[in-house]
Amino acid sequence: GDSVTQMEGPVTLSEEAFLTINCTYTATGYPSLFWYVQYPGEGLQLLLKATKADDKGSNKGFEATYRKETTSFHLEKGSVQVSDSAVYFCALRSGGYQKVTFGTGTKLQVIP
Amino acid sequence: DTAVSQTPKYLVTQMGNDKSIKCEQNLGHDTMYWYKQDSKKFLKIMFSYNNKELIINETVPNRFSPKSPDKAHLNLHINSLELGDSAVYFCASSKDQETQYFGPGTRLLVL
Repeated sequence: GDSVTQMEGPVTLSEEAFLTINCTYTATGYPSLFWYVQYPGEGLQLLLKATKADDKGSNKGFEATYRKETTSFHLEKGSVQVSDSAVYFCALRSGGYQKVTFGTGTKLQVIP
Repeated sequence: DTAVSQTPKYLVTQMGNDKSIKCEQNLGHDTMYWYKQDSKKFLKIMFSYNNKELIINETVPNRFSPKSPDKAHLNLHINSLELGDSAVYFCASSKDQETQYFGPGTRLLVL
């Protein structure tokens, strides 16, 4: 079945540091890939997505590139802010009436 | 203009009780979901409805019963609550099973 593997957190960075959160997946066919973010006390919200190989999703300074050859969708940001502190979830959907499979989440803490 | 709303936001109850959580979306989406998030933030899908029809039913105790009276509503009823049911329950909706829009969550504590 489909699965998503994320790096374990928590990840603690200083403000303006470079962020990478690794995500790899296994899936049948050509899944759509997502990053969701969950701020404290809130529900998840879509951060970015990519629907085919080599697509780059980007939003709020975050980027992730759909790499089919390495089955990866790593999240990056060049300069993190305190307000980026949240839990980040990598996810995929294989198509049709398929459920979205979420990774276990990576907690990011940015300190001033 | 809340897109996906859930009530109640907090629910504290005794073991053995029966409780319901309500979810409504005003986005015009066809598909709605219930997820359970445990204390370690692990997110697990429970149910999904498309146009009031059940399409995903994961391995969930039959004490949990979803009900979709119309496309905009998906309620979750839980019988005989147990300590292990304590979690945050999220409702979500989507238009084409792609991007999901989540509600704010219902924090359930079973004592």
